[in-house]
Amino acid sequence: ETGVTQTPRHLVMGMTNKKSLKCEQHLGHNAMYWYKQSAKKPLELMFVYSLEERVENNSVPSRFSPECPNSSHLFLHLHTLQPEDSALYLCASSQKPAGTSGSTDTQYFGPGTRLTVL
Amino acid sequence: GQQVMQIPQYQHVQEGEDFTTYCNSSTTLSNIQWYKQRPGGHPVFLIQLVKSGEVKKQKRLTFQFGEAKKNSSLHITATQTTDVGTYFCAYGGNKLTFGTGTQLKVEL
Repeated sequence: ETGVTQTPRHLVMGMTNKKSLKCEQHLGHNAMYWYKQSAKKPLELMFVYSLEERVENNSVPSRFSPECPNSSHLFLHLHTLQPEDSALYLCASSQKPAGTSGSTDTQYFGPGTRLTVL
Repeated sequence: GQQVMQIPQYQHVQEGEDFTTYCNSSTTLSNIQWYKQRPGGHPVFLIQLVKSGEVKKQKRLTFQFGEAKKNSSLHITATQTTDVGTYFCAYGGNKLTFGTGTQLKVEL
């Protein structure tokens, strides 16, 4: 499956580093998402972008900064992270803009970036 | 607030045995989705259930949505090693909330 790609696939960073995660969707979708998946915890929705506007920020610390320059690309800028931020960061996209009435839209996930903060 | 519990957390079966995971909500859900995540992989959409009492089948997988739309189940008949992974239910429109998942291991 190559509909949603993420780079890098693995990232090791120190607490003082600044890095960025990139997500690209090739499906023509209108909504994109960042999720965090930690060991033994459910998937946590971090941010939702719909038609390039941020529509959801689930109380995520400011050391995580999303950016959506266009409908196909989504970034997650990282700075001064903590070791507890180590996790799998998953990007997803869906066809309908977020908040569209009707049934839930299918989300297509990228392979994720495995982040380790030392 | 709305709470969705998924049980069991882990299930270890012999190949050929059946497997069921349950998703239970404290409130009525408008719809529910199921995803599968293989070890080292990412969640992949399996199905969406919308109607009260709905039952859908995909080969050996049977999905049910309760009459009160507060619970859902995924049943796998005669498990195979390819069924290994974690199964998640999810709800909430585009802003999905995922259940805690059930990790399935299948032994030969």
